[in-house]
Amino acid sequence: LAKTTQPISMDSYEGQEVNITCSHNNIATNDYITWYQQFPSQGPRFIIQGYKTKVTNEVASLFIPADRKSSTLSLPRVSLSDTAVYYCLVGDGTGANNLFFGTGTRLTVIP
Amino acid sequence: DTGVSQDPRHKITKRGQNVTFRCDPISEHNRLYWYRQTLGQGPEFLTYFQNEAQLEKSRLLSDRFSAERPKGSFSTLEIQRTEQGDSAMYLCASSLAGDPPYGYTFGSGTRLTVV
Repeated sequence: LAKTTQPISMDSYEGQEVNITCSHNNIATNDYITWYQQFPSQGPRFIIQGYKTKVTNEVASLFIPADRKSSTLSLPRVSLSDTAVYYCLVGDGTGANNLFFGTGTRLTVIP
Repeated sequence: DTGVSQDPRHKITKRGQNVTFRCDPISEHNRLYWYRQTLGQGPEFLTYFQNEAQLEKSRLLSDRFSAERPKGSFSTLEIQRTEQGDSAMYLCASSLAGDPPYGYTFGSGTRLTVV
């Protein structure tokens, strides 16, 4: 089971770029790295997924070094509405039992 | 399609009673997942269906829990003889099967309170 390690919490001011790093030392060859965002009383929301190098979409960027033992979610110019818990998961998509959410990183954006 | 729907949003039940939750996934999604989440923790995997077949069950899923997905469409999660420790948010998610894997679309959950 490829577990992940993330900081428990982070604070950032509005308008700044936020980088959340996740460690996944035992990631398997076929595993992808996926990030979710969760607001209180809502289900998690898919943000971004990658396998290697860099992936960018309209919401975030995901940086994955060559050894794939870590990844960094980058949120550009955060706003108050980005205050949420962010989860990093690794898995190969062949099943669900190997996806471990952990406790995530609680990001608080300060005005 | 309005996404993944869960019903009810909230359920309060007395200890020992049975409860059933319903999940309607995105119609074209062939995979459906149930998770449980307690305060301050991430979602914990319970079980997973591909079409109507239940392919995985967590060891967390005791004999009091049963899930079905008849005809590969909606799913129900039943908890028999509820205990106070069952109080949690129960989340349903759906996805397509694929390589690379697709992200999950979660519903807003059913919050269960056992009193």
